Amino acid sequence: DVKVTQSSRYLVKRTGEKVFLECVQDMDHENMFWYRQDPGLGLRLIYFSYDVKMKEKGDIPEGYSVSREKKERFSLILESASTNQTSMYLCASSSHFRGNTEAFFGQGTRLTVV
Amino acid sequence: AQSVTQLDSQVPVFEEAPVELRCNYSSSVSVYLFWYVQYPNQGLQLLLKYLSGSTLVKGINGFEAEFNKSQTSFHLRKPSVHISDTAEYFCAVSAGGTSYGKLTFGQGTILTVHP
Repeated sequence: DVKVTQSSRYLVKRTGEKVFLECVQDMDHENMFWYRQDPGLGLRLIYFSYDVKMKEKGDIPEGYSVSREKKERFSLILESASTNQTSMYLCASSSHFRGNTEAFFGQGTRLTVV
Repeated sequence: AQSVTQLDSQVPVFEEAPVELRCNYSSSVSVYLFWYVQYPNQGLQLLLKYLSGSTLVKGINGFEAEFNKSQTSFHLRKPSVHISDTAEYFCAVSAGGTSYGKLTFGQGTILTVHP
């Protein structure tokens, strides 16, 4: 069964802390994504990566960075957490090839910054 | 760039009644269309997708959607809902080509099925 695994379901961090959210996929997918989910706003793309060490900004990259050193792993980094980054974070992966454009999602990490 | 509008933020319905969740999109290029479902405290699961071909698409759990290019809509329907269909539903679009499968989501529709 295909799987996208996020390292934590719930996290509580203090303002100013550096926060790492980890995501691993076992489908050999080229593309990986980080979305942020807020009530009434749906999911918004933070960053994505289409290959190892390659990354591109999404719609709301401010305050975030990412790292992709291995194909299966994509990390989201909050350099200095702030309370307005309290949210649900969802990782996803997909393949390059047409006809297989479904994105598979992890269970999500609910981050609270206090 | 693409955008997606889900016309209803909440839809209450009684069990065994039919339901339609509405989705409109805008795009300057051809798109792929998706409906995802999210049960409480879980990630998103694909219900169905439209890539090309027949405009009526059938998905899991008895859901179907119809792609209407002239009205730029992709409404989700189910003829008879169950309590277990209570969840949040997201419509999403993706452009082909070099978009790398990036999805643009609507705001979500919370479907609540009452007994």
